Amino acid sequence: QVQLQESGPGLVKPSQTLSLTCTVSGGSMSSGTYYWNWIRQPAGKGLEWIGRIDTSGSTNYNPSLKSRITISVDTSKNQFSLKLSSVTAADTAMYYCARDNGGSWSPVYFDPWGQGTLVTVSS
Amino acid sequence: EIVLAQSPGTLSLSPGERATLSCRASQSVSSNYFAWYRHKPGQAPRLLIYAASSRATGIPDRFSGSGSGTDFTLTINRLEPEDFAVYYCQQYGYSPVTFGQGTKLEIK
Repeated sequence: QVQLQESGPGLVKPSQTLSLTCTVSGGSMSSGTYYWNWIRQPAGKGLEWIGRIDTSGSTNYNPSLKSRITISVDTSKNQFSLKLSSVTAADTAMYYCARDNGGSWSPVYFDPWGQGTLVTVSS
Repeated sequence: EIVLAQSPGTLSLSPGERATLSCRASQSVSSNYFAWYRHKPGQAPRLLIYAASSRATGIPDRFSGSGSGTDFTLTINRLEPEDFAVYYCQQYGYSPVTFGQGTKLEIK
């Protein structure tokens, strides 16, 4: 059974770059046709899809964040990563990674998810 | 982007009762590309329903999804203690995919 686990710094200074990694266990990322996603939830607000990547490196990003996002994959480590540049307090959120098996243009539903990691942007 | 409005914000019920959660989309969601998730504190969100009415693997038949167009419903029969959590709806008919704000199901 595939499981996902997020990791990374819990505190990032304003204007810096937020970096998170999602480690996939219980199966190879390259097995099957899947996309690997990042989703976030600011405190008291709804969930927001950030972007996704497949094992060939093909990406889709949310237009609202596209200019600041980079998602990459390392299949040798069974990991994928998120970099979000020029962060502000508005980027403080719980960040989740998740898998989907949708088409190349957009995600479908997400299953499974990681437990999430809280990132606070503060000086 | 499509905005999803969930109601009620909080639902207080007792174990054994039936819960009805609603989600309304700002425009019609094509082909019923609609999902529901349950999220317990400190745990990973879990997929319950996809394609508006199909149960995900391992989800008991107490959970059912219905609806089309702009109005979708998640019904949970015979509430069990583990069902008290926050529930989110999601549409994936249009890019970017979007989620509702959540309905908190609490023990009365």
